[in-house]
Amino acid sequence: AQSVSQHNHHVILSEAASLELGCNYSYGGTVNLFWYVQYPGQHLQLLLKYFSGDPLVKGIKGFEAEFIKSKFSFNLRKPSVQWSDTAEYFCAAMDTGRRALTFGSGTRLQVQP
Amino acid sequence: GAGVSQSPSNKVTEKGKDVELRCDPISGHTALYWYRQSLGQGLEFLIYFQGNSAPDKSGLPSDRFSAERTGGSVSTLTIQRTQQEDSAVYLCASSKGATPAYNEQFFGPGTRLTVL
Repeated sequence: AQSVSQHNHHVILSEAASLELGCNYSYGGTVNLFWYVQYPGQHLQLLLKYFSGDPLVKGIKGFEAEFIKSKFSFNLRKPSVQWSDTAEYFCAAMDTGRRALTFGSGTRLQVQP
Repeated sequence: GAGVSQSPSNKVTEKGKDVELRCDPISGHTALYWYRQSLGQGLEFLIYFQGNSAPDKSGLPSDRFSAERTGGSVSTLTIQRTQQEDSAVYLCASSKGATPAYNEQFFGPGTRLTVL
């Protein structure tokens, strides 16, 4: 069965620090990959997605992610975080044979001013 | 434009009662999904609709759970004889379609269900 692993459960950074959140998936076929963000008190919002083509995907708010097929990874990055990036981040995968998203357990990011 | 809406936002019920949760997807979105988010289990898929049919019900945890969608729009998730382990936030999402170019899922605010 498909699974998604997020290695960091809780990350604390200072403003302007660089961010990298790990995500690995287990599925040998064709997958679509997503990063969602949930700000405090708000609903899940899509940050970025990968379907095919360029493995470096740029999303909203300065986030980007790199799909590395050989490592089954889709890590999220941002060069300089802001206090407003404090949120929970979820990596998700969808195999193209199904429509359901499989989510990782989430990473809580706390950015200190 | 309007996003996915869900009602009620909060529901408190007693063990053994039935509950109905409602989802209004984004207008024109043909695909609709139900998930639940709980402390112990994270975000779990429940069921997927394409139009009014449900080709994937594999995530429904028991036969106490059922869902329907009418008119290719509104969906209702029903939980019969609720148990305390059903307490969770139930999320609905919709997408334009099912192909990769259109399967970005937009989530609603959720219904927080508490079973006493």
